[in-house]
Amino acid sequence: AQSVAQPEDQVNVAEGNPLTVKCTYSVSGNPYLFWYVQYPNRGLQFLLKYITGDNLVKGSYGFEAEFNKSQTSFHLKKPSALVSDSALYFCAVRDQNYNYGQNFVFGPGTRLSVLP
Amino acid sequence: EPEVTQTPSHQVTQMGQEVILRCVPISNHLYFYWYRQILGQKVEFLVSFYNNEISEKSEIFDDQFSVERPDGSNFTLKIRSTKLEDSAMYFCASMETVTGGRYGYTFGSGTRLTVV
Repeated sequence: AQSVAQPEDQVNVAEGNPLTVKCTYSVSGNPYLFWYVQYPNRGLQFLLKYITGDNLVKGSYGFEAEFNKSQTSFHLKKPSALVSDSALYFCAVRDQNYNYGQNFVFGPGTRLSVLP
Repeated sequence: EPEVTQTPSHQVTQMGQEVILRCVPISNHLYFYWYRQILGQKVEFLVSFYNNEISEKSEIFDDQFSVERPDGSNFTLKIRSTKLEDSAMYFCASMETVTGGRYGYTFGSGTRLTVV
């Protein structure tokens, strides 16, 4: 079965400081991993994805994420947080062998608050 | 950037009534999905659709739910007899390829369904 954990419900960080939003996953084989962001009363927007290749993935708005197979993690990072980064962040995973399922499973979400 | 369009943005219905939520996926996408989100919480998979048939569905997607793509462009979710607990934000998503293409899922902005 596929599953995703985001161990922190809420992350608070001061503007200008680095931020990390954590994600760990469980799949039977190799994962496809995605990060999405949701602003208030809006839909889900794609930030970045890991399919294969370099473990460090760069995405939209200066975000990046590092795939760590041994720790089954895909933490989202940004070197310098902006107040406008405040939103709800979702990690999603699917096994690359889609005989295990074709849909992506989403984590419970982490609310990021960047304080001025 | 191409968009997934969902209508209506907000639907209020009485318990026991049928509702149809409509989605226009991105034209060259082949994989279509419905997810729902209750009160800004976890994003839950409902159903995936490929090649004019359901490819996967969750436990939530019971006999009260159905999907179809009647004209090759619209992708609809029907709830036959709505219950109070069906109140949620419903998101349609489409994907270019099964691996996620360039953007992974592209989500619509959602339909907020309120059952009274």
